[in-house]
Amino acid sequence: GENVEQHPSTLSVQEGDSAVIKCTYSDSASNYFPWYKQELGKGPQLIIDIRSNVGEKKDQRIAVTLNKTAKHFSLHITETQPEDSAVYFCAAGDTGRRALTFGSGTRLQVQP
Amino acid sequence: GAGVSQSPSNKVTEKGKDVELRCDPISGHTALYWYRQSLGQGLEFLIYFQGNSAPDKSGLPSDRFSAERTGGSVSTLTIQRTQQEDSAVYLCASSLDRGNYEQYFGPGTRLTVT
Repeated sequence: GENVEQHPSTLSVQEGDSAVIKCTYSDSASNYFPWYKQELGKGPQLIIDIRSNVGEKKDQRIAVTLNKTAKHFSLHITETQPEDSAVYFCAAGDTGRRALTFGSGTRLQVQP
Repeated sequence: GAGVSQSPSNKVTEKGKDVELRCDPISGHTALYWYRQSLGQGLEFLIYFQGNSAPDKSGLPSDRFSAERTGGSVSTLTIQRTQQEDSAVYLCASSLDRGNYEQYFGPGTRLTVT
């Protein structure tokens, strides 16, 4: 089955700096890669996703890149703000496997 | 519009008791998923419902776990004879249809087995 690895497990940055979280996956059939943000006591919130027919997608301060050959994808957050502090999860899915396989999460702390 | 809702938000039960967790998906969403999140861990898939199709139960950890979805909407996850290792946050998600991957999560039910 699919295996998703996520790094780093914790990340601390200064406000205004950029943050990068990386994930690798094992199943070449995976074609959908979402990123979720989870705040304490809440469910995961979908923040951005990318499908295998594109290499990069941006939405304001966040962007996701995908390298299908290397089987890795990354989340980039620019101009970080304290409210970006949360746990971020990457995931992978495909048309035949409806359920997503999640990474283990990255705790991002933005220092004011 | 209203998001995915789950109840109860917290449940404390004694080892050996049965528990039922409820999920109300987003109106119109035909796909529904249950995941489990242990403390400090990622999300583990449990079960998936799509319309009237047979559910995908491949993630259920034991036969003590079961789920049903009535009328294609509300779902109930049942854990029988709870064990301490069942303590976790149980998350429900829904998506529009089988061709639409975006899954939207509820706030979860925190289950504590004492």
